[in-house]
Amino acid sequence: NAGVTQTPKFRVLKTGQSMTLLCAQDMNHEYMYWYRQDPGMGLRLIHYSVGEGTTAKGEVPDGYNVSRLKKQNFLLGLESAAPSQTSVYFCASSYGAPLHFGNGTRLTVT
Amino acid sequence: GQQLNQSPQSMFIQEGEDVSMNCTSSSIFNTWLWYKQDPGEGPVLLIALYKAGELTSNGRLTAQFGITRKDSFLNISASIPSDVGIYFCAGPEPGNTPLVFGKGTRLSVIA
Repeated sequence: NAGVTQTPKFRVLKTGQSMTLLCAQDMNHEYMYWYRQDPGMGLRLIHYSVGEGTTAKGEVPDGYNVSRLKKQNFLLGLESAAPSQTSVYFCASSYGAPLHFGNGTRLTVT
Repeated sequence: GQQLNQSPQSMFIQEGEDVSMNCTSSSIFNTWLWYKQDPGEGPVLLIALYKAGELTSNGRLTAQFGITRKDSFLNISASIPSDVGIYFCAGPEPGNTPLVFGKGTRLSVIA
């Protein structure tokens, strides 16, 4: 049972490049989330989904887009990466309050 | 949105000492969660609290749901080196699904 799997684990982008982060969960959870973690800032919610085909904005959605075409997958896209998006990105899933997290994607934008 | 105030921000303690940290909010929460994040990994749930006044233990960890429903406490007894990490409190905003997280308490244990 893999839980929540994030790919890739590491990525370096140049400013202006685009990329997609993939999150997959095998627990049949309805809810999925994308957070970013920056030093001293804790975990901040970017976007989330309460079910297949639905998405909603979190606290820091600007510069990101998401899609939830299948229940088990939640994609986070950066259309034009900026240095301010250098961060560690965490995906999570849940039925309700307790979230299950992946191990993160470390993204550096130069 | 709602913010959770977590303190202290960081702690340096000797192995074997007890640790206390807390989390407060300006509004009522119906659920309090405590997570631990090891270096290079995602947060892992330690304890979940669902009722005001509830006191729950998980090994050497004990957490309490404050009776005002605006705070929670986490205690670690007899700390060991593997307790090193960042501890987060979290709770769902009233009426909303997403969890709100505190900024974390970074714990360092000196052997």
